[in-house]
Amino acid sequence: RKEVEQDPGPFNVPEGATVAFNCTYSNSASQSFFWYRQDCRKEPKLLMSVYSSGNEDGRFTAQLNRASQYISLLIRDSKLSDSATYLCVVKFYTGTASKLTFGTGTRLQVTL
Amino acid sequence: GAGVSQTPSNKVTEKGKYVELRCDPISGHTALYWYRQSLGQGPEFLIYFQGTGAADDSGLPNDRFFAVRPEGSVSTLKIQRTERGDSAVYLCASSLLGDTQYFGPGTRLTVL
Repeated sequence: RKEVEQDPGPFNVPEGATVAFNCTYSNSASQSFFWYRQDCRKEPKLLMSVYSSGNEDGRFTAQLNRASQYISLLIRDSKLSDSATYLCVVKFYTGTASKLTFGTGTRLQVTL
Repeated sequence: GAGVSQTPSNKVTEKGKYVELRCDPISGHTALYWYRQSLGQGPEFLIYFQGTGAADDSGLPNDRFFAVRPEGSVSTLKIQRTERGDSAVYLCASSLLGDTQYFGPGTRLTVL
C-alpha cells in the first residue's frame, strides 16, 4: 500500500464549478500536511498547509482528519488557471530529517 | 530573490554512462533535498543534506547513486552506469532549517 494515496483523475470540470480532492495517508506518525500544485513540466509549488481546524485561502479550503488519516482540498469557483496536478504531501520527522512523501497527484482540467 | 537552480535542464545519455546533476539552493538555506519524479508519479525522496553532511540517504535506490555537498551550498547528484530505468526528472529542493521546501525546475534525464 502506498504511503499517500490519491485518485489520479483526471477531473474535468467547467469553469465556475466546485471540485474536491481527497487523499489518505498510512503513517499515523505523520506530522505535517500540505497540498502542492504542479503545472505540466514544472516543479511542485506549495499551495497551502493543512490543519485539523481547517484552513482557507481564497477559493481554496483544506481539511485534515487525523483520526481517519484523510486530507481534502476544495476548490470553489474553478478558473481555467486552476488546471494543474494537485499533490497531497505528508511530512514526517525522523529526528535527523524531515522528509516529504508525495501522492501521485490528482490532475484537474478546468474547461470553458 | 533567486530561487533554486538546477543544471542541466535536460540531459540525454547512453546506458552505462556516468552523469552529474547540479543543484544550487537558495542562498542561506541549510537543508537540501533531492527527489526523483517518474512520469505519472509524485516526487520520491532520495537524499537530504543538513549542511555538508547527508542526514538521510535512505531513498537512494542503490549504490550507483551518490550525492555530495562539500561546502554546504551547491550539491551534485552522481549516477554511475546509468540504466534506462533511471530516466526521470530529478528535482532539488532547499529549505531554511527544515521549513517550507522550495523546488528547483528539475533536470530531465533520459537514458537511451
